[in-house]
Amino acid sequence: DQQVKQNSPSLSVQEGRISILNCDYTNSMFDYFLWYKKYPAEGPTFLISISSIKDKNEDGRFTVFLNKSAKHLSLHIVPSQPGDSAVYFCAAIFTSGTYKYIFGTGTRLKVLA
Amino acid sequence: GAGVSQSPRYKVAKRGQDVALRCDPISGHVSLFWYQQALGQGPEFLTYFQNEAQLDKSGLPSDRFFAERPEGSVSTLKIQRTQQEDSAVYLCASSLGFSGSGDTQYFGPGTRLTVL
Repeated sequence: DQQVKQNSPSLSVQEGRISILNCDYTNSMFDYFLWYKKYPAEGPTFLISISSIKDKNEDGRFTVFLNKSAKHLSLHIVPSQPGDSAVYFCAAIFTSGTYKYIFGTGTRLKVLA
Repeated sequence: GAGVSQSPRYKVAKRGQDVALRCDPISGHVSLFWYQQALGQGPEFLTYFQNEAQLDKSGLPSDRFFAERPEGSVSTLKIQRTQQEDSAVYLCASSLGFSGSGDTQYFGPGTRLTVL
């Protein structure tokens, strides 16, 4: 029972264009969401997060949008750079009990130079 | 400063062998998490420590899996009588505060376990 879903296993984008990575979740009790980036042979690295009481959070080239009614969040990267090529995981947390992360299956982004 | 480190980075075990995976969290971090990442999947929660106390082990897949953090710093994940389905990358993460503080988790590079 996958509570956090990333339905696109891969995405290719031209350098300089926008990358949009999507994530859907099923449990309305999640109240915090994060995006992590992972390079091969390295651990996931925190990128950006958003609380469920917000609908947008921006940090430089990265913006996360949250649509609670649709149970959907997205990560926008503008402009995309070749160094952004990595696997991106979204994760959700219940902010009660153990703050364990519930991860999606990841989307592999390739930014073409 | 130093991040989360894990050792060994790669481990090959024969089915039935016991293995021990080590995690050195960021110094001073109270919380420590173990995750299992199967090929093509996202990391899945195994267990959580707050200092030396194991407060959540709901994700451990069987009683062959055992984790400890006796002095509240280094943690060891032990898998007894390994099976082929145990093959995965085992990730350790630490965060500064206790679980409810909402601090970001910092991940180590993982240990890739292959059971033949």
